[in-house]
Amino acid sequence: KAGVTQTPRYLIKTRGQQVTLSCSPISGHRSVSWYQQTPGQGLQFLFEYFSETQRNKGNFPGRFSGRQFSNSRSEMNVSTLELGDSALYLCASSLEGQGAWGYTFGSGTRLTVV
Amino acid sequence: AQKVTQAQTEISVVEKEDVTLDCVYETRDTTYYLFWYKQPPSGELVFLIRRNSFDEQNEISGRYSWNFQKSTSSFNFTITASQVVDSAVYFCALSDRPGGYQKVTFGTGTKLQVIP
Repeated sequence: KAGVTQTPRYLIKTRGQQVTLSCSPISGHRSVSWYQQTPGQGLQFLFEYFSETQRNKGNFPGRFSGRQFSNSRSEMNVSTLELGDSALYLCASSLEGQGAWGYTFGSGTRLTVV
Repeated sequence: AQKVTQAQTEISVVEKEDVTLDCVYETRDTTYYLFWYKQPPSGELVFLIRRNSFDEQNEISGRYSWNFQKSTSSFNFTITASQVVDSAVYFCALSDRPGGYQKVTFGTGTKLQVIP
């Protein structure tokens, strides 16, 4: 079966712009979680969506938002980009009720803010 | 609060050597889960193993083995006869029980370089 697909793989944006990243989970997986990975902070949880509802949220400013569609695909949006938002953004999908126990990660989107 | 410590930032070994990656965790939960992931240069986090807190049985899978000891809150990972393809960053992670407010904490990672 197809894995978790994240698009685009690479992005370069300018400070102040906004960006939208996409994550298509494994077929049948209804939970999608997003993580930010930076050299300084490591892997940090952003949020989790299940059945089109945000179920859990990490400690990030309101500039970071997301949504999930009826087909379980999820998008995350970062508005008013800052240099510090440069990171690898990873999403993970899992079956209902499994949470991290059943995570499958995508290859990530590498965002560079200049 | 949860915490995962991977004290080894970088390790270099010569091919065919054995190497152990350390992971020490802290949690107040009685039910929790531990994971190891491998991150090659491509960026994807590749799942290696998971354990729940009630399963202290150690495991061997090919060249990989894991030693889970609740008494010392450690979940160490050993690669036997390392190969160049093992070069990657390895992450240990801890989560509480699955559910709407599951908390997942990753260690800072250990970068392993296997020299041919």
